[in-house]
Amino acid sequence: AQKITQTQPGMFVQEKEAVTLDCTYDTSDPSYGLFWYKQPSSGEMIFLIYQGSYDQQNATEGRYSLNFQKARKSANLVISASQLGDSAMYFCAMRETSGTYKYIFGTGTRLKVLA
Amino acid sequence: DADVTQTPRNRITKTGKRIMLECSQTKGHDRMYWYRQDPGLGLRLIYYSFDVKDINKGEISDGYSVSRQAQAKFSLSLESAIPNQTALYFCATSDLPTSAGTDTQYFGPGTRLTVL
Repeated sequence: AQKITQTQPGMFVQEKEAVTLDCTYDTSDPSYGLFWYKQPSSGEMIFLIYQGSYDQQNATEGRYSLNFQKARKSANLVISASQLGDSAMYFCAMRETSGTYKYIFGTGTRLKVLA
Repeated sequence: DADVTQTPRNRITKTGKRIMLECSQTKGHDRMYWYRQDPGLGLRLIYYSFDVKDINKGEISDGYSVSRQAQAKFSLSLESAIPNQTALYFCATSDLPTSAGTDTQYFGPGTRLTVL
C-alpha cells in the first residue's frame, strides 16, 4: 500500500536561510505524482509544487524546489531564502496513477521562520 | 471570487444532529473530494467523486454520506454527528491526471466543525 512519511514534526529556520523538509514515500506503482502543499495558520491548503515520477529534472517553482531521489523514494521540499511568511504547516502528498488516482497525505511538518 | 468555496466556514452542533457541509467550484473540474484534517494525522479522504454519476468511499467514510448534485457541487452529510467527528473539513477539486500533474488538487478554505 502507498504511504507517505514526514518525520519532522517541527522545524526552525533563520530568515533568509534555506531549509529542507523531508518526505519519503512508498509505492509499488511505477507511475506516480508527488505534491507539496502549504497550510498557513489561516487554514487553507495552498499547492506549491509537483513532481512526476518520470520527470528527469527536479521541479522548481520560484523559491521552492523538490529534491527528488527516486531510488531512495524521497521527495524533499527545499525552500530557499526563507521569509517570515513561510511559517506554516507543510504537507507532502502522493498520487498513484494506476487504480483510483487517490491522494494520500503525510502528517505534515510545522516550519517556523525566525527573524 | 474563490474557485472552491465551502459553506459554512464554522459550525457548532450537538451530538445526534444531522448536518450538511456544502462545496461549490468554478474551476470546471470533474473530480471532487472531501477530506477531514485532525491534528497529527494530516488529511484523510472521506469520499470522492470523479463525475456526477460516480461516488466512491475513501478511507474513513463511516458516519458520512455525500451527494454530487452537479459537476460544480459536492455535499458532505453527517447523518448523526458525534464528538469524534470534530475536525477541519476540506473540499478539493482536480482535473484529469496526466504526467504533467494536471490533477493537482485545489482546496476550499475549510469548514471547522465542532460536535458537542
